[in-house]
Amino acid sequence: DAKTTQPPSMDCAEGRAANLPCNHSTISGNEYVYWYRQIHSQGPQYIIHGLKNNETNEMASLIITEDRKSSTLILPHATLRDTAVYYCIVRASIISGGGADGLTFGKGTHLIIQP
Amino acid sequence: ETGVTQTPRHLVMGMTNKKSLKCEQHLGHNAMYWYKQSAKKPLELMFVYNFKEQTENNSVPSRFSPECPNSSHLFLHLHTLQPEDSALYLCASSQGWGGRSSYEQYFGPGTRLTVT
Repeated sequence: DAKTTQPPSMDCAEGRAANLPCNHSTISGNEYVYWYRQIHSQGPQYIIHGLKNNETNEMASLIITEDRKSSTLILPHATLRDTAVYYCIVRASIISGGGADGLTFGKGTHLIIQP
Repeated sequence: ETGVTQTPRHLVMGMTNKKSLKCEQHLGHNAMYWYKQSAKKPLELMFVYNFKEQTENNSVPSRFSPECPNSSHLFLHLHTLQPEDSALYLCASSQGWGGRSSYEQYFGPGTRLTVT
């Protein structure tokens, strides 16, 4: 699996967009970019994932560069409840026949939303 | 609410005790996982079950014994633990079926375990 690099911490003002970067320069063609977050002492929460196109859901947007070597998770209007550790994970998809595979979490980015 | 429940939420046990952690998922998923999160460390995968069969054991000591009687339930049996086993134990589930990635995993709230 490709390695990811994230800043250890970031601050963002409440109500502003939070942009969390992730570098994955060794990503291969069949690997997806996944984002999870973990609010203090809770289980991680799936946010979004993508392969090469930008993706958006009700929680966030994911922007992947054209060369796929980096991506940015965008929380459009951050609230205090978005304070959490955000993890960027790169994994190949299990395409056929079913299957299951665990996730490898790094240290992530501790995002602190300031009032 | 993620559809994955864990009991108990907190557990204190002595090193000679035997206890079990329970996880139940209400999502119709076929894969279930145990993760461990020690203080100041990233989450570590422990076990993976797919359709009740164990598919991964991440070099976990034998004092941790998983059991998956069906696709909705997962247990972690604990015996003769050490103080360094104190951690947050998280259960997760996923679909992992053909045509879709299995990495959309849904986590329970965890069991905070303290070994005295």
